[in-house]
Amino acid sequence: GAGVSQSPSNKVTEKGKDVELRCDPISGHTALYWYRQSLGQGLEFLIYFQGNSAPDKSGLPSDRFSAERTGGSVSTLTIQRTQQEDSAVYLCASNLGLATYNEQFFGPGTRLTVL
Amino acid sequence: DQQVKQNSPSLSVQEGRISILNCDYTNSMFDYFLWYKKYPAEGPTFLISISSIKDKNEDGRFTVFLNKSAKHLSLHIVPSQPGDSAVYFCAASATGANNLFFGTGTRLTVIP
Repeated sequence: GAGVSQSPSNKVTEKGKDVELRCDPISGHTALYWYRQSLGQGLEFLIYFQGNSAPDKSGLPSDRFSAERTGGSVSTLTIQRTQQEDSAVYLCASNLGLATYNEQFFGPGTRLTVL
Repeated sequence: DQQVKQNSPSLSVQEGRISILNCDYTNSMFDYFLWYKKYPAEGPTFLISISSIKDKNEDGRFTVFLNKSAKHLSLHIVPSQPGDSAVYFCAASATGANNLFFGTGTRLTVIP
């Protein structure tokens, strides 16, 4: 079956512009995670969605970052007024959400470059 | 503050020899540990995991060892193969937490 897909694969934008990154999780997966990997860093947790519960936004670095998940499936991560330090690979993952002990399945990521 | 640390950014090993990748953590609440492997332009893929109630888990050529007192785990790959060349991430989770905490990765190169 299809894995986690993300679009676009690459995004170059100018400082101050808004960007939207999309994630399509594996069908049937109720949990969805966003991470980002800056150059030379590990994956940094951003936000977690589980079913209809309120999302865990504890990892969002600033109020310029927001995410939504429509219909319990597709998710969009929005970064407003992008800054150069937002440049990173943004990774989406999904799983059945029973516990973090369950394997998270990752998409290929979106490489964001802010000029 | 990096709670999971991989202090070796890279490792080169001859084909057929053992690869040992190391990981240290600081949070004593972590009770589950995972290794992910990442090829260029792909997302990380799960490799092997271990619960804190165990000190060893083996899956084919891959074995993970956990030393809770030292807050240290390691991944052994034997024998190493060129296809194992990738970046390996160590990750940890705690009961009740929603996310994984990742290390910065170790790039393994297996030389034919």
